[in-house]
Amino acid sequence: SQQGEEDPQALSIQEGENATMNCSYKTSINNLQWYRQNSGRGLVHLILIRSNEREKHSGRLRVTLDTSKKSSSLLITASRAADTASYFCATDGGQNFVFGPGTRLSVLP
Amino acid sequence: DGGITQSPKYLFRKEGQNVTLSCEQNLNHDAMYWYRQDPGQGLRLIYYSQIVNDFQKGDIAEGYSVSREKKESFPLTVTSAQKNPTAFYLCASSIPGGLFNQPQHFGDGTRLSIL
Repeated sequence: SQQGEEDPQALSIQEGENATMNCSYKTSINNLQWYRQNSGRGLVHLILIRSNEREKHSGRLRVTLDTSKKSSSLLITASRAADTASYFCATDGGQNFVFGPGTRLSVLP
Repeated sequence: DGGITQSPKYLFRKEGQNVTLSCEQNLNHDAMYWYRQDPGQGLRLIYYSQIVNDFQKGDIAEGYSVSREKKESFPLTVTSAQKNPTAFYLCASSIPGGLFNQPQHFGDGTRLSIL
């Protein structure tokens, strides 16, 4: 199984609602990163949170990290149709950089 | 504008053929990476390079080869030994400061298919 796994696999919400995605991992980490991928495109970095941090904000994005539970969450507030994409968490636990399978977010107008 | 350029966008490979995917960056980044993405899955690391003339195998290096002769360029060759090469290939780069401790900047990928 993967080092990082996002939950849920897919999420559909209405424009204006908040979207929450979770990431669980297995081994100790130095940092955890969240990325967005639009269909057929490369990944775009959203937020990097280090193991000694608990929460970070960037615009409408809020990321939390709970190292005792080995989990992180990404909250997108006031979602827009343009937020429709796949969202991945990535961790540096273990030997290499490992991406989870992602959460596919659909924001309906 | 600085960024990462991958070419071609689409590539087709015949049986027994080697193909090379190009990745060029003008971000002046030292570290570069190659990932493979299969449908519905996350990215898997193929190779990475921290400096010129040095590179390391990732989790799925078998059937692939790379070179790093210039800081700006990190081409990936998919050899005939890679029996299931159909996938979306992504190249990335990052600044120094710990190999996986910095944000990675990605190109827009190359989609490789078998003829």
